[in-house]
Amino acid sequence: KAGVTQTPRYLIKTRGQQVTLSCSPISGHRSVSWYQQTPGQGLQFLFEYFSETQRNKGNFPGRFSGRQFSNSRSEMNVSTLELGDSALYLCASSFGAAGELFFGEGSRLTVL
Amino acid sequence: QQQVKQSPQSLIVQKGGISIINCAYENTAFDYFPWYQQFPGKGPALLIAIRPDVSEKKEGRFTISFNKSAKQFSLHIMDSQPGDSATYFCAASTVGGNQFYFGTGTSLTVIP
Repeated sequence: KAGVTQTPRYLIKTRGQQVTLSCSPISGHRSVSWYQQTPGQGLQFLFEYFSETQRNKGNFPGRFSGRQFSNSRSEMNVSTLELGDSALYLCASSFGAAGELFFGEGSRLTVL
Repeated sequence: QQQVKQSPQSLIVQKGGISIINCAYENTAFDYFPWYQQFPGKGPALLIAIRPDVSEKKEGRFTISFNKSAKQFSLHIMDSQPGDSATYFCAASTVGGNQFYFGTGTSLTVIP
């Protein structure tokens, strides 16, 4: 069974640009969550989608948004990038509404 | 505000020794406490988890100790091996939710 796949793995953007990251969950998983990982801050919850509906949202500005498609694949978008958005963005999928998270390897975003 | 506080930030242990990582939380609504292990370049992977109705859970060399009254839980790695060298994150979530609050991580190095 394939794991969680995130694309792209690495990307470099400049301040003010926007970026879209993609996540394909494990087959059969309906919940997809996104986390931002930075040194010293650990993993910070961005949002979670279940059956195309955003169920929870973390404490991030409106520049961070996401969506989930009918096949459970998810995308997150960050607009008007800032230097502080440089981080590893992790996607995690889960079978049900609550339970073990299965993480992808992440998309490393560098903002110059 | 960090809802789950983790210590130490880094830990160096001799091969065969015991590694202990501690976490504390404030929200009494948390009811699921997993530990994740992350190797460089990889996403976190679930190591072991506990619910507050038990005080201890053991899986092989890994044990979670849980103190509900003190709102603390810890990970013990017995007979630590160089292959255990990784970053460990504690986390907590509430019932029926996939929004996890993570600690800031502990970088464990096991010296041969």
